[in-house]
Amino acid sequence: DQQVKQNSPSLSVQEGRISILNCDYTNSMFDYFLWYKKYPAEGPTFLISISSIKDKNEDGRFTVFLNKSAKHLSLHIVPSQPGDSAVYFCAASTIQGAQKLVFGQGTRLTINP
Amino acid sequence: EAGVAQSPRYKIIEKRQSVAFWCNPISGHATLYWYQQILGQGPKLLIQFQNNGVVDDSQLPKDRFSAERLKGVDSTLKIQPAKLEDSAVYLCASSTDTSYEQYFGPGTRLTVT
Repeated sequence: DQQVKQNSPSLSVQEGRISILNCDYTNSMFDYFLWYKKYPAEGPTFLISISSIKDKNEDGRFTVFLNKSAKHLSLHIVPSQPGDSAVYFCAASTIQGAQKLVFGQGTRLTINP
Repeated sequence: EAGVAQSPRYKIIEKRQSVAFWCNPISGHATLYWYQQILGQGPKLLIQFQNNGVVDDSQLPKDRFSAERLKGVDSTLKIQPAKLEDSAVYLCASSTDTSYEQYFGPGTRLTVT
């Protein structure tokens, strides 16, 4: 039962353009969402998060949008830079879940010069 | 601030052998997690500790996997006996007891032949 889904295994974007990574979830009890970034041979690092009481959160070049009715969130990176090339994981949690995170399968983002 | 430490970084064993992984979380983090990440998938939670007590081990294959958290700080994860399908990266993460944000170690890549 895949509760968090990232349907695009890979995405290629030109440097300077916008990267949009998508994530869908099925459990309506999820109330907190996070994006993690992972480089090869390293552990995932926290990027940005959003609570279900908000529909947008921004941090520099990174913005996360949440559409609760569609059970969909997206991560926008503007402008995209070569160092953004990595695997991005979407994760979700519930207050009742005691901080337990459920991860999507990941999307490999490649920024082309 | 030192990050989450894990060892070893890589391990190759034959099926039916045993293996152990070690994790030292960020100082002061009460919650510790062990994840299994199979190639092409997102991390899957195996076990969550709050101090030295188990919060969630519902996805831990208890017939072969065991974990403990000594004195509420370091933790070890053991597999005995290993199967081919245990080949994966084993990630340790930690967090404060009030935060959803988890900090990950670099992981241990296990290959079972």
